[in-house]
Amino acid sequence: GAVVSQHPSWVICKSGTSVKIECRSLDFQATTMFWYRQFPKQSLMLMATSNEGSKATYEQGVEKDKFLINHASLTLSTLTVTSAHPEDSSFYICSASRTREKLFFGSGTQLSVL
Amino acid sequence: KQEVTQIPAALSVPEGENLVLNCSFTDSAIYNLQWFRQDPGKGLTSLLLIQSSQREQTSGRLNASLDKSSGRSTLYIAASQPGDSATYLCAVSLTGGGNKLTFGTGTQLKVEL
Repeated sequence: GAVVSQHPSWVICKSGTSVKIECRSLDFQATTMFWYRQFPKQSLMLMATSNEGSKATYEQGVEKDKFLINHASLTLSTLTVTSAHPEDSSFYICSASRTREKLFFGSGTQLSVL
Repeated sequence: KQEVTQIPAALSVPEGENLVLNCSFTDSAIYNLQWFRQDPGKGLTSLLLIQSSQREQTSGRLNASLDKSSGRSTLYIAASQPGDSATYLCAVSLTGGGNKLTFGTGTQLKVEL
């Protein structure tokens, strides 16, 4: 079956640093990928839609200058949390699809900002 | 704006019990509904996907139903096992919304020996 790989699985960083998270579709091309965020004991909230070769579409309330998304190829999207602060600590997860019917999710990245 | 709610928020049952998880959504113009399983600190595993034109889907001990007009879905787990312990999420995609999913609040299930 289709696999979506996400790295790193967890990261701890100091406040003010930037963190890059990668999401790769391993055996299919994904023109669209999605980035979600999940705070403890809450559900997943869509942050942005990553479109290959064009700008990402951000959901209301998500700062595009803080959460930089790059989708330079059909198999790779990256999310960079710039100048991370403790309130950015969260579980970030990506998803990608080949078809409208089936979405595949990465294993997620736990970000802890000290 | 689509809102998805799951009841109960948490559930603890003895092994072998049959159980039902509930999901409700406010906008009935959905394209499909999916049930996922999430283990602590891990990604999501898709369990069942129901198209808007379907009433139910089954996979092994799992059965999901969909009543689009009333905005409800249930996930039935038969003969629960400790390995079923996880958080169960339902998510809907809207017609014309592409693959954007709106997730429910989740039900944390614990199956005890």
